[in-house]
Amino acid sequence: GQQVMQIPQYQHVQEGEDFTTYCNSSTTLSNIQWYKQRPGGHPVFLIQLVKSGEVKKQKRLTFQFGEAKKNSSLHITATQTTDVGTYFCAGYSGAGSYQLTFGKGTKLSVIP
Amino acid sequence: EAEVAQSPRYKITEKSQAVAFWCDPISGHATLYWYRQILGQGPELLVQFQDESVVDDSQLPKDRFSAERLKGVDSTLKIQPAELGDSAMYLCASSLSSSGTGKQYFGPGTRLTVT
Repeated sequence: GQQVMQIPQYQHVQEGEDFTTYCNSSTTLSNIQWYKQRPGGHPVFLIQLVKSGEVKKQKRLTFQFGEAKKNSSLHITATQTTDVGTYFCAGYSGAGSYQLTFGKGTKLSVIP
Repeated sequence: EAEVAQSPRYKITEKSQAVAFWCDPISGHATLYWYRQILGQGPELLVQFQDESVVDDSQLPKDRFSAERLKGVDSTLKIQPAELGDSAMYLCASSLSSSGTGKQYFGPGTRLTVT
């Protein structure tokens, strides 16, 4: 079945440093979503990417969808303590599948 | 902003007992999902409903798990009998999208501990 892998599993950064998490799928995706889960909280939707090579920005967050629609990345510029949490990518393979497959997530810690 | 409601928030049960979780999605959301999230991992889909119909339950351990959404609104997930390996967070999510590929709104979850 479809697998979605994320690296790194953990990332510790000093406040103000940049952070990037990478997501790779074993199959071509019809779209990819990113979610953030704060410690003790539930996943919260951040963004959805649909087009090959798409780039979207939300303030300090930049999301990219690969040309082959098999990988994606999330980059945070100048991290803040409010960025702490686990970032998940999740993809739909399409082809009649309605299942959103989540990666294991990247847990971000920000040292003030 | 409207939220997905879940209860109970925490449940401790002994193995071989029955447990049930309840979810009330955001009003008007036709698609409802139940996920299981083990600590340190991403959510894993158990079952997906479109209105009252099951769209995908391929990952649901049907020998012990059951789910229903009788009137196409709220939903119940049941485990009988519970096993130690069922300890996890059970998350409910809903989506306005009828195609099943849209933004999902998650509830706070039910943390299940089986002893």
